Amino acid sequence: DARVTQTPRHKVTEMGQEVTMRCQPILGHNTVFWYRQTMMQGLELLAYFRNRAPLDDSGMPKDRFSAEMPDATLATLKIQPSEPRDSAVYFCASAPTSLDGDTEAFFGQGTRLTVV
Amino acid sequence: SQKIEQNSEALNIQEGKTATLTCNYTNYSPAYLQWYRQDPGRGPVFLLLIRENEKEKRKERLKVTFDTTLKQSLFHITASQPADSATYLCAISRYSSASKIIFGSGTRLSIRP
Repeated sequence: DARVTQTPRHKVTEMGQEVTMRCQPILGHNTVFWYRQTMMQGLELLAYFRNRAPLDDSGMPKDRFSAEMPDATLATLKIQPSEPRDSAVYFCASAPTSLDGDTEAFFGQGTRLTVV
Repeated sequence: SQKIEQNSEALNIQEGKTATLTCNYTNYSPAYLQWYRQDPGRGPVFLLLIRENEKEKRKERLKVTFDTTLKQSLFHITASQPADSATYLCAISRYSSASKIIFGSGTRLSIRP
């Protein structure tokens, strides 16, 4: 049963600490997305990758957030230093390439981050 | 910037009736529009995709329309069931359905028995 795996599922950290969230996309999917979800803002796109290359990270605060794909099986989202306003659920999603453009994004279970 | 609007208020429907959810977008010309379902504590799950050159698409009890002139999509669930209760998210993308996908904030649907 192919699925997107995110770790950790929950993270509580103190303000100023570094946070790293990890995502294992579905094998063979070459597009990976990072989203942040809050009650106020809904689901916001932070960044996305195609074939491990970043295509768009305009939704990400550059001064403290960074996203990478060290290899095809791992995507990371790092916050340094973390702030209380970063508290949210962070979702990773992956999608395969389709010749006709029709495909869907598969989401992980999310990482619930609380910064105190 | 692109903006997607969905009914911010929850929609309460009697079981067996048709639920209709609305998605409006501005400052964008999407080639693809998708609908996802999200249950509490879970990630969104894909339901349906419709292209800009398609007016309507159906899948079992689900129907989606896409009006590029009105910049609007309607999502219908016929013969609704309590198990359909969830938040439904509209999403748009331009070049393929796996290019930059932008989501609306979702509409919470409750089906009462």
